[in-house]
Amino acid sequence: QLVLTQSPSASASLGASVKLTCTLSSGHSSYAIAWHQQQPEKGPRYLMKLNSDGSHSKGDGIPDRFSGSSSGAERYLTISSLQSEDEADYYCQTWGTGIPYVVFGGGTKLTVL
Amino acid sequence: EVQLVQSGAEVKKPGESLKISCKGSGYSFTSYWIGWVRQMPGKGLEWMGIIYPGDSDTRYSPSFQGQVTISADKSISTAYLQWSSLKASDTAMYYCARGKSSSSVGWFDPWGQGTLVTVSS
Repeated sequence: QLVLTQSPSASASLGASVKLTCTLSSGHSSYAIAWHQQQPEKGPRYLMKLNSDGSHSKGDGIPDRFSGSSSGAERYLTISSLQSEDEADYYCQTWGTGIPYVVFGGGTKLTVL
Repeated sequence: EVQLVQSGAEVKKPGESLKISCKGSGYSFTSYWIGWVRQMPGKGLEWMGIIYPGDSDTRYSPSFQGQVTISADKSISTAYLQWSSLKASDTAMYYCARGKSSSSVGWFDPWGQGTLVTVSS
């Protein structure tokens, strides 16, 4: 069964960098994922699609401060030069390649100190 | 510009029926999957189901199978999520989103603005 695992919370200081992790379940390490951001009281926004080789394509208007990388079954979202507006919930998402279905991770709440 | 515009907030009583909508524009509506996602108060995103408007192929998360019905009217580029008998536990924000891949569901982009459904006696 395809499952995405995220840490419930993370924190980092204003101006610093943070790396969030999304882990694919066993046997699914080749899957691509997407990262979405949800700021307080707003709807989700697509950030980027991240492939197993670390290549990624960002959504329109997503700042260069957001980048992605991969290692094995782990998919990372790195945010550099943290700003107050980066304080948000971050969700990873993946999808079936044969049978159509979608999976979300539980989300990581990022606090900017 | 690709856009999904959802219908407005709803306040309903338990046992009532409801159908909310998601209208797509700026792209070929029949060529991409549309998904529905629930977010209960203070909780994370839950995938409910998806529909391919081109042939109405519909798939449900096991958690939502039999609880809701997803449909689409391609003549007006609109997808729907409906309940036949609402429960208080259906109180949540509901988002639609377009699947980006042309060969599978893919990643969700863009998202609709959300429809808040409140079920209370």
